[in-house]
Amino acid sequence: AQRVTQPEKLLSVFKGAPVELKCNYSYSGSPELFWYVQYSRQRLQLLLRHISRESIKGFTADLNKGETSFHLKKPFAQEEDSAMYYCALPAARFSGGYNKLIFGAGTRLAVHP
Amino acid sequence: NAGVMQNPRHLVRRRGQEARLRCSPMKGHSHVYWYRQLPEEGLKFMVYLQKENIIDESGMPKERFSAEFPKEGPSILRIQQVVRGDSAAYFCASSPSQAGIGYGYTFGSGTRLTVV
Repeated sequence: AQRVTQPEKLLSVFKGAPVELKCNYSYSGSPELFWYVQYSRQRLQLLLRHISRESIKGFTADLNKGETSFHLKKPFAQEEDSAMYYCALPAARFSGGYNKLIFGAGTRLAVHP
Repeated sequence: NAGVMQNPRHLVRRRGQEARLRCSPMKGHSHVYWYRQLPEEGLKFMVYLQKENIIDESGMPKERFSAEFPKEGPSILRIQQVVRGDSAAYFCASSPSQAGIGYGYTFGSGTRLTVV
């Protein structure tokens, strides 16, 4: 069954420290994976997707098929990075498109001054 | 563009009452998705709708829950005879096409339902 696991509920770091938010997945085939972020009192928004290989706000994520992981990394955390982060996997390809996402439970990142 | 609008933001219902949650998709989006987030858990897919059609309701509880997306007006998620276990945050997302996930999949701010 398709599944996304985020093992850490809370990750607490100091400003300037490196950050790695873990995400492991279970999926048969070639997955597309996403990271969504929810800042305090704001809506869930797409941070990045592995297919685009982009870096957003200094965050990157590399798909490791051998370890079935898609960890989110940033070399130097900023206070404004404090938020909930969700890893997600599209499921159930429907008529050529995806119609739903499977989310991990989320990790709260707290960056202290 | 106001984005995906959900209302109300907070809803309190007594056990046995009905809850109606509304979602207006982004302008130009014709696909709507509802998700539920229980405390300490990730978002769980409930239902996917296009105008006047339910495409995938595999995540909907079999009883008391229903959803619609009429030709005119917002999408409605309806919960009849609410119970305490229905207390959760309900999120709506919209996309311009069924392949919108990751490309044009926009979330609303959610409705927090509390059943007392």
